[in-house]
Formats: sequence, C-alpha cells, structure tokens
Amino acid sequence: AQSVTQLGSHVSVSEGALVLLRCNYSSSVPPYLFWYVQYPNQGLQLLLKYTSAATLVKGINGFEAEFKKSETSFHLTKPSAHMSDAAEYFCAVTSPGTGGYNKLIFGAGTRLAVHP
Amino acid sequence: KAGVTQTPRYLIKTRGQQVTLSCSPISGHRSVSWYQQTPGQGLQFLFEYFSETQRNKGNFPGRFSGRQFSNSRSEMNVSTLELGDSALYLCASSYSSGGPNEQYFGPGTRLTVT
Repeated sequence: AQSVTQLGSHVSVSEGALVLLRCNYSSSVPPYLFWYVQYPNQGLQLLLKYTSAATLVKGINGFEAEFKKSETSFHLTKPSAHMSDAAEYFCAVTSPGTGGYNKLIFGAGTRLAVHP
Repeated sequence: KAGVTQTPRYLIKTRGQQVTLSCSPISGHRSVSWYQQTPGQGLQFLFEYFSETQRNKGNFPGRFSGRQFSNSRSEMNVSTLELGDSALYLCASSYSSGGPNEQYFGPGTRLTVT
C-alpha cells in the first residue's frame, strides 16, 4: 500500500526566509508525486508534480521539489517566503498500483504560517 | 475556461437524511473524482468516474455512492447520514484517467450533519 508522511503539521517562517515542507512517501512501485496548496475555504491547487522525468521539479509561485528515491522523499522548498504563501500544503502520491492514476493518497497536510 | 463547480457550497442536514452533491467538471474533462476532507481523517479518496463508469473506489461504506452523466457531470449521494459524515467534499476533474493527469479541484461542498 502507498502512504505519505508529512513531517510537521505546522511550520512557521519569517517573510523572506526559506520555506521547507517535508514529505516522505512509501510505495512499492515507482510513484508519481504531487504537492497541492489549499487556501481557506477553497479547493486544492496543484503546485507541482513529479512523473519520473527530471528529479528537480519547478512549480508555480516559486516553489520547487526534489525527488530523492534513496530517501523516499519529495520535500517542497521556496527560497523566500511571502505573506501570501500562508496556507495548508498537501503532498500526495499515486501510481497505477493504487487502481488508477487519479486515486491520490494524501498526507495529513502542513499548515504554513508566514510572519512579518 | 470555467473551473470545476460544485453545488451547493454549504449544506446542513439531519442524521438519517440523505444528501446529493453535484460536480460539474471543466469542459472536455471526462474523469471526475471525489474526496472527503475532515480534520480527523484528512483527505480521503471516495471514488472516480470516467465515461459514466466507476473506475476506482475508496474504503467507504455503501452509503456513499455516485454516478456520472453523459455530459461528465457527476453526483455523489450519501444515504442515512451520520454525524461523522460532516466534512468538506471535494471533486476533481481531469482530462482522462490514463497517465498521471493533473487534477483540478472544485471549491468543495461543506456538509454539516446535526
């Protein structure tokens, strides 16, 4: 079975500081990995995805993530936090083994707070 | 292009009642997936429909059901509501079910069961 673990349910950074949100996955088959962001009272928006091409993936709003198979990790980073980055972030995994590519298995989420 | 729309946005029901939620996917998208989001269990996959057929199903009781129409619009139904069914129900659409397609999420329907 596949699973995702997000370390840290809450992360707080200063505006302009590095953002690092951690995600570790478990999968017996090559995974496809995603990061989504959810703003209050909204649905999920895709930030970036890894689908077995380049291991360093760049997404929207200056976010990027690196797939590290040896560490089973897919951490999300942004060099400089902005107040507008405050939201909840979800890491998700899927693969054909889950019964279809559209069956996403989500982590518990990390709430990012950005303070001045 | 218009995004994924879900109706209604908010709903209050009583235990034992049933409810139907609606999702209209992005034009041209044939796959619709449903997720339940709760503070305790997080985001959990309910089911996926593609071309009017259920392709995948999560681990939810049979009280949760869905369907998809020929125009790709989807509905999900929850019968005999329980307090624990209170959640944000999200639907997501994608172009097809083959390959790791990008899924576009709607704003969700907030269901409160009293």
